[in-house]
Amino acid sequence: GQNIDQPTEMTATEGAIVQINCTYQTSGFNGLFWYQQHAGEAPTFLSYNVLDGLEEKGRFSSFLSRSKGYSYLLLKELQMKDSASYLCAVMDSNYQLIWGAGTKLIIKP
Amino acid sequence: DAMVIQNPRYQVTQFGKPVTLSCSQTLNHNVMYWYQQKSSQAPKLLFHYYDKDFNNEADTPDNFQSRRPNTSFCFLDIRSPGLGDAAMYLCATSRDELAGVREQFFGPGTRLTVL
Repeated sequence: GQNIDQPTEMTATEGAIVQINCTYQTSGFNGLFWYQQHAGEAPTFLSYNVLDGLEEKGRFSSFLSRSKGYSYLLLKELQMKDSASYLCAVMDSNYQLIWGAGTKLIIKP
Repeated sequence: DAMVIQNPRYQVTQFGKPVTLSCSQTLNHNVMYWYQQKSSQAPKLLFHYYDKDFNNEADTPDNFQSRRPNTSFCFLDIRSPGLGDAAMYLCATSRDELAGVREQFFGPGTRLTVL
């Protein structure tokens, strides 16, 4: 079966750095997405990785290791507005997104 | 601005009373998706349209139907809503490309309450 695993909840301090991990087992791989979702709102696109390595975009970076079925999202200089759920999703061989349940990130002052 | 629009944002219906949710897009994307998302859960794909071709997920109940009359609009019909159908319903679009990022763009969602 297809499976995406990520921690249910994490807590971090404003100004700090946090790493959210995601492991996956899917039938085929056409890229991995990270989305941010604030409570009661729709997911918004953060990043896409299809090759191994680190993609940096401002305060957010995303890493992929295809051989390990592993990705992480790194958030630097945390701000209160970063409190949200972070969803990992893998595009399978049929170009369908397989979603994780999301990691709820709580930022404390 | 190009976008995905969902109406209404909040919908209340009674147990068993049919309801229709709508989605429109100005992105001219050829693929449209309907997801159901319950609290603290992953979005669950109900069905998607690749142009006019309808693709139903195997575990989507028959109670859920969809229509796509043209490229811009897509509807989700829930024929007899049950209490378990209360959820956020998300519409998304993407452009099918052989190469490049097939990012999905989401509408703001419709939160359905069933009384």
